[in-house]
Amino acid sequence: AQSVTQPDIHITVSEGASLELRCNYSYGATPYLFWYVQSPGQGLQLLLKYFSGDTLVQGIKGFEAEFKRSQSSFNLRKPSVHWSDAAEYFCAVGGGANNLFFGTGTRLTVIP
Amino acid sequence: GAVVSQHPSRVICKSGTSVKIECRSLDFQATTMFWYRQFPKQSLMLMATSNEGSKATYEQGVEKDKFLINHASLTLSTLTVTSAHPEDSSFYICSARLAGGTYEQYFGPGTRLTVT
Repeated sequence: AQSVTQPDIHITVSEGASLELRCNYSYGATPYLFWYVQSPGQGLQLLLKYFSGDTLVQGIKGFEAEFKRSQSSFNLRKPSVHWSDAAEYFCAVGGGANNLFFGTGTRLTVIP
Repeated sequence: GAVVSQHPSRVICKSGTSVKIECRSLDFQATTMFWYRQFPKQSLMLMATSNEGSKATYEQGVEKDKFLINHASLTLSTLTVTSAHPEDSSFYICSARLAGGTYEQYFGPGTRLTVT
């Protein structure tokens, strides 16, 4: 069965510091992996996706993620966090019937 | 590109009434749309998958007679919450998948439903 684990419920970083949000997945075949960001009271915006090819993918807003098959991970990174990055981040894996399975989310707080 | 809209963004209704939420793909055709429900500080729960021209597929535990889904065109899906109760109060989000596309979904901004 497909599942996504985001071990960190809440992360606080200082503005300008680097960021890594963890995501581990369980899926029986080659996964399609996504990171979405949600601001309060808003829908989800796609940050980046991995389907195949280069395991390091670049996204919008300076984010990147690396697919590591051996670790079943797809961690999201940003070298320098901005105050506007404060939001909820969801990792998702594409499964059968074109569904997406979401992790429980990681809330990012950015302190000045 | 790939913009999805939802209307209304917020709605307050009385217990026992019905409310309809629209989900539109503005600049692409979507053969498949999804409806999610999100509780405060929680992840998204898939309620149903809506395919244009056919009946929606509901997830286990979701009452199909309570949450009526219609996908009448390639750009519009509607969710009607019938006989709403306070426990139906939630944030409802739709998403759309590009026709012929992969698993990528584009999300609407969500609808905040409050049942009094």
